Amino acid sequence: KAGVTQTPRYLIKTRGQQVTLSCSPISGHRSVSWYQQTPGQGLQFLFEYFSETQRNKGNFPGRFSGRQFSNSRSEMNVSTLELGDSALYLCASSRTGGETGELFFGEGSRLTVL
Amino acid sequence: QKEVEQDPGPLSVPEGAIVSLNCTYSNSAFQYFMWYRQYSRKGPELLMYTYSSGNKEDGRFTAQVDKSSKYISLFIRDSQPSDSATYLCAMSERDTGRRALTFGSGTRLQVQP
Repeated sequence: KAGVTQTPRYLIKTRGQQVTLSCSPISGHRSVSWYQQTPGQGLQFLFEYFSETQRNKGNFPGRFSGRQFSNSRSEMNVSTLELGDSALYLCASSRTGGETGELFFGEGSRLTVL
Repeated sequence: QKEVEQDPGPLSVPEGAIVSLNCTYSNSAFQYFMWYRQYSRKGPELLMYTYSSGNKEDGRFTAQVDKSSKYISLFIRDSQPSDSATYLCAMSERDTGRRALTFGSGTRLQVQP
């Protein structure tokens, strides 16, 4: 069974640009969550989607957005990039939702903002 | 003050030692408690999952939750060099609509052969 797939794995952007990251969940999983991981703040919840609807959102500015498609694949977008957005962005999928904690993580997309 | 506190380490132990990893938390609404393991340049993988208080054992791993003290632990018996990784505790609420995990900052473990 294939795991959670994230693309691209690495990318470099400059301040002010925007970026779109993609996540393909495990087959049959309908919930996709996104987390940001930095050395200073650790893993922080961005948002969670279930059946194309955003169910939860973390404490991040509106520059961070996401969506989920009918096949459960998800994208997240960060506009007007700032240096502080440099991080590992992790996608996680679960069958029903994240409240029980049974999340399966991808290997992440490492974003560097110059 | 962070909702979940975890000693970042690094924690260095000899092979075969018993490892104790801990987290404290302040949010009494947390009901689900998890431990994740993260190898370098990989995503976290779920090790243990516990609902409410009590102990849970899985092979060399034992998770303990003490809700009265707001304290959770992960014990690793007969530690191996392959256990060298960052261990993250995570918690979540139930019945509040908050479907998101709150993570500790992670403890880096090094098991010396």
